[in-house]
Amino acid sequence: DAGVTQSPTHLIKTRGQQVTLRCSPISGHKSVSWYQQVLGQGPQFIFQYYEKEERGRGNFPDRFSARQFPNYSSELNVNALLLGDSALYLCASSLAGQGNQPQHFGDGTRLSIL
Amino acid sequence: AQKVTQAQTEISVVEKEDVTLDCVYETRDTTYYLFWYKQPPSGELVFLIRRNSFDEQNEISGRYSWNFQKSTSSFNFTITASQVVDSAVYFCALSAYSGAGSYQLTFGKGTKLSVIP
Repeated sequence: DAGVTQSPTHLIKTRGQQVTLRCSPISGHKSVSWYQQVLGQGPQFIFQYYEKEERGRGNFPDRFSARQFPNYSSELNVNALLLGDSALYLCASSLAGQGNQPQHFGDGTRLSIL
Repeated sequence: AQKVTQAQTEISVVEKEDVTLDCVYETRDTTYYLFWYKQPPSGELVFLIRRNSFDEQNEISGRYSWNFQKSTSSFNFTITASQVVDSAVYFCALSAYSGAGSYQLTFGKGTKLSVIP
């Protein structure tokens, strides 16, 4: 079975631009979460979606937004990019987003801001 | 608010040595879940184990074992007879209810393990 897939793998943008990252969950998983991982740090929670609705949001500015589609795939959008947005963006899926369900991660999208 | 502390930033061991990775957590919730993930150089986070707050039984899986002690808020991870393939960054994480049906996963900063042949 395919795991969580993310695209693109790498992305280079300049300050002020906008970016869209994509994620397809494991088949049968209805919850998708997004994390930002800065070099040398643990992943930081950005969003959780379940059944197309936002369930949780981390401490990130409004420049970050996301949505989940009827097929449970998800997009993360970041507007007005800053140098500090350079990071590995990880998508994770779980069956229903419950706390006891392990989240399974994709390989991530490495975003570099010049 | 939840917090996970992994005090060891980097550890180096020689192959076949045992190594223990420490994890201390903070939460006000009585029901929570603890996880360990492995992140090899390729970047993908690999789920290793989950432990419920109401289940303090220790667990062994092959060369891996986990020691959960609620009294000290610790969830330590031991690799026995380490191998080069164990080289990775290991993250401890805590999942607790954060409102509106959301369970937020809070990670520690990770411990980079290097196993030297």
